Amino acid sequence: GQNIDQPTEMTATEGAIVQINCTYQTSGFNGLFWYQQHAGEAPTFLSYNVLDGLEEKGRFSSFLSRSKGYSYLLLKELQMKDSASYLCAVRDKGSGGSYIPTFGRGTSLIVHP
Amino acid sequence: DTGVSQDPRHKITKRGQNVTFRCDPISEHNRLYWYRQTLGQGPEFLTYFQNEAQLEKSRLLSDRFSAERPKGSFSTLEIQRTEQGDSAMYLCASSFRVHSGANVLTFGAGSRLTVL
Repeated sequence: GQNIDQPTEMTATEGAIVQINCTYQTSGFNGLFWYQQHAGEAPTFLSYNVLDGLEEKGRFSSFLSRSKGYSYLLLKELQMKDSASYLCAVRDKGSGGSYIPTFGRGTSLIVHP
Repeated sequence: DTGVSQDPRHKITKRGQNVTFRCDPISEHNRLYWYRQTLGQGPEFLTYFQNEAQLEKSRLLSDRFSAERPKGSFSTLEIQRTEQGDSAMYLCASSFRVHSGANVLTFGAGSRLTVL
């Protein structure tokens, strides 16, 4: 089974940096995703980590520590349009042997001027 | 390709009725997933297909729920004898395996179900 924990809500100021943490417990880890979801829209892919370390992609970076069961998403130079829910998802082995992304409840980020 | 398509976008039904949702994945994607999402929660996994084979099904899934992908292309999700607790957004996603091992999911816009 899986247990994925992330903060429910965070607020930050335009232009600032924010770090969204995700901790997880799984029986068969095989990668971690971050998705962004604006209100009323479908989730869209941001990043994927399978090895320890930092992956950087423009204003967004994602870090993974497999031994600690920990990841974070770092957003730099925040813009108003970054206000959204950020979903941490862990690939874990299902009962049929396939790896399935399992999502946390998401962190609602509010960026204010 | 226009991405993952879902139909209908909205469905209002009375308790006890059956409903069916359709998902058309991205054409070259062989993997298809169904998730359910309620307000303030992340997507909850329902079932997974690789081509036409249903390889995973959530243990939390009631036997009122059934899904098919008969030719390995589009998929349908049917809910029989709907209950008010079934009210949610039903999301379909598709993916294909890349060399790094990541199956990046591309989601459809979802089908919102309201059970009265």
